[in-house]
Amino acid sequence: AQSVTQLGSHVSVSEGALVLLRCNYSSSVPPYLFWYVQYPNQGLQLLLKYTTGATLVKGINGFEAEFKKSETSFHLTKPSAHMSDAAEYFCAVSGGDSSASKIIFGSGTRLSIRP
Amino acid sequence: DAGVIQSPRHEVTEMGQEVTLRCKPISGHDYLFWYRQTMMRGLELLIYFNNNVPIDDSGMPEDRFSAKMPNASFSTLKIQPSEPRDSAVYFCASTGARNEKLFFGSGTQLSVL
Repeated sequence: AQSVTQLGSHVSVSEGALVLLRCNYSSSVPPYLFWYVQYPNQGLQLLLKYTTGATLVKGINGFEAEFKKSETSFHLTKPSAHMSDAAEYFCAVSGGDSSASKIIFGSGTRLSIRP
Repeated sequence: DAGVIQSPRHEVTEMGQEVTLRCKPISGHDYLFWYRQTMMRGLELLIYFNNNVPIDDSGMPEDRFSAKMPNASFSTLKIQPSEPRDSAVYFCASTGARNEKLFFGSGTQLSVL
């Protein structure tokens, strides 16, 4: 079984500052990990994903995340926040190549950007 | 491709009425998921299908909820009878490969009065 915990339901940073959104996961099998972004009144869009291989994953809009197995973490970062980054961000996990897995989402983190 | 299409976009109904939400996945996608999003509970997986067959419905809250996928291009989520606590945004998503990127629809905002 898989689960996801996102630390902090709301994060606020200044424009140009580092963005760090935290995600810890639990999985009984090697996981696939995802970050999705949701803009107001829209569905979720994939930012980036980790399946296998390189643990540092780069996504769209300058975001990246690092898979750390020892810490069971998959934190999302961006060096310099932009006003357009204001949105809700969801971390998700699935059971990798397991034949009977499903994609489970965290509770989300709302990112606000201060001018 | 037009993406995942959900209808209606908004639904307002009275307690006790039947509600049917509709979803058209992306052509060629073998997996279809129904999620519910609320402030209190976040994004919850209700049920998912593979090749039109329900694989896991453990997230369906109770017998008032049912979902069908009669063919590869159409799925419904039905609530009968509806209750105020069912008010939420319901998302449909599809993917062409297990455990890979999900493509979400725009959601149905359901309000049960």
